[in-house]
Amino acid sequence: GAGVSQSPSNKVTEKGKDVELRCDPISGHTALYWYRQSLGQGLEFLIYFQGNSAPDKSGLPSDRFSAERTGGSVSTLTIQRTQQEDSAVYLCASSFRQGGTGELFFGEGSRLTVL
Amino acid sequence: QQQVKQSPQSLIVQKGGISIINCAYENTAFDYFPWYQQFPGKGPALLIAIRPDVSEKKEGRFTISFNKSAKQFSLHIMDSQPGDSATYFCAASPQDSNYQLIWGAGTKLIIKP
Repeated sequence: GAGVSQSPSNKVTEKGKDVELRCDPISGHTALYWYRQSLGQGLEFLIYFQGNSAPDKSGLPSDRFSAERTGGSVSTLTIQRTQQEDSAVYLCASSFRQGGTGELFFGEGSRLTVL
Repeated sequence: QQQVKQSPQSLIVQKGGISIINCAYENTAFDYFPWYQQFPGKGPALLIAIRPDVSEKKEGRFTISFNKSAKQFSLHIMDSQPGDSATYFCAASPQDSNYQLIWGAGTKLIIKP
C-alpha cells in the first residue's frame, strides 16, 4: 500500500519487557514523527526525524525510550523495561516536506498494552 | 510555552446541524493552522488547513474561520452527518520552526441521527 505502515498493530507485553515498534513511512517522505496517544487523549510528540537524523527528541519521556531511522526510511521505536504507564497507541507520521507546513500522513498506530 | 487551547472537549450535534469547534493560541508567530480528523482505530488525517493571510477557507461542508486579532480559529461543519462523528484536532505551526506542530487537545464530535 501507499500509506504509512506500522507494526505490530497490537502488542501485549509484561511489565519489564522490552518492545520494538516499527514504522514504514511513505516512500520519499524525509520527515518522520512518532507520537503517543493515551486512551481518549491528545497527541503527545515524542521524536522527529529528518532523514536519519533526529534533531528533536525532546518528547521522549525517559531514557527507556529510544528511536532510530535507517536508510531514510524505516524507523523503530524501542521501549525498554516497559511500565504500565507506557500503555498507549503509538502513532507514526511521515511528510514529504518538513512537516511544519506540510501534510502529515499517519499510520493506524501500534496499540501497546503493558500488563 | 506555546499552546493551542481547543474547545469544547466533546460535542453532540443533531444530524443536519452545524458543528463548531474553537481553538485559541497564545503566540502570534504561527503561520499555518491545520485541522485533522481521527476516526476510532485510525490515525489522524488532514481535513483542511489555513494560513493567516486569509480569514476563511471553505471545502465542501467544512469551513475554517480565522481571526488574527483575537488569535482564534474555528472549524465549522455544516449539515453535520453521522459519518462526521470523529475526534477533531486543531494545530498550529510556529514560524520559527520548519517541522513543529503545536496540537490542541482534541474534540470528540458525535452526530446524532
